[in-house]
Amino acid sequence: AQKVTQAQTEISVVEKEDVTLDCVYETRDTTYYLFWYKQPPSGELVFLIRRNSFDEQNEISGRYSWNFQKSTSSFNFTITASQVVDSAVYFCALSGVDQFYFGTGTSLTVIP
Amino acid sequence: DVKVTQSSRYLVKRTGEKVFLECVQDMDHENMFWYRQDPGLGLRLIYFSYDVKMKEKGDIPEGYSVSREKKERFSLILESASTNQTSMYLCASSWTSGMNEQFFGPGTRLTVL
Repeated sequence: AQKVTQAQTEISVVEKEDVTLDCVYETRDTTYYLFWYKQPPSGELVFLIRRNSFDEQNEISGRYSWNFQKSTSSFNFTITASQVVDSAVYFCALSGVDQFYFGTGTSLTVIP
Repeated sequence: DVKVTQSSRYLVKRTGEKVFLECVQDMDHENMFWYRQDPGLGLRLIYFSYDVKMKEKGDIPEGYSVSREKKERFSLILESASTNQTSMYLCASSWTSGMNEQFFGPGTRLTVL
């Protein structure tokens, strides 16, 4: 069965702190894709990153970085030097052949 | 830029009414999806479509139906709205399947009284 677990329901950090959002997945597929989305208070989900199962290289984009480890079935997301604009709900998702499987989301609040 | 639009941001209906939620995408995507989002439950797939006039049930199709008469438009229908269908409804579209990211609309917050 396909499943994504985001164990952290809510996280609060003070501005400029680093924060890591955890994502653990389950799949029997050998080829799959992992995604992160951001949902700001406005409501629209914004795509952040896609990773395929054959590429375990970490990725950095500005203050954002992602750590993909197949050995632990994890795809964690770190925000460095958090800002108030990072306050949002973040979703991790797993894609198989035909559909996405989303985690329940982590609500991040960055306190000024 | 891909744009996915939904007919309403907020909608209030009464129990038993027939409700139509419309979604339009402008990037010629083959795939379209309807989700509902509830606190603590994340996004749950209601229906999806890979082509015109084609539909597949997602994880929670009960109480819903869909229509895709044109490639760019995917409608979600609540035949007889009930209070437990009060939720945020999100439409998404993507190229082909699996590997491609989904692009989301702004959502429709539906309240059924």
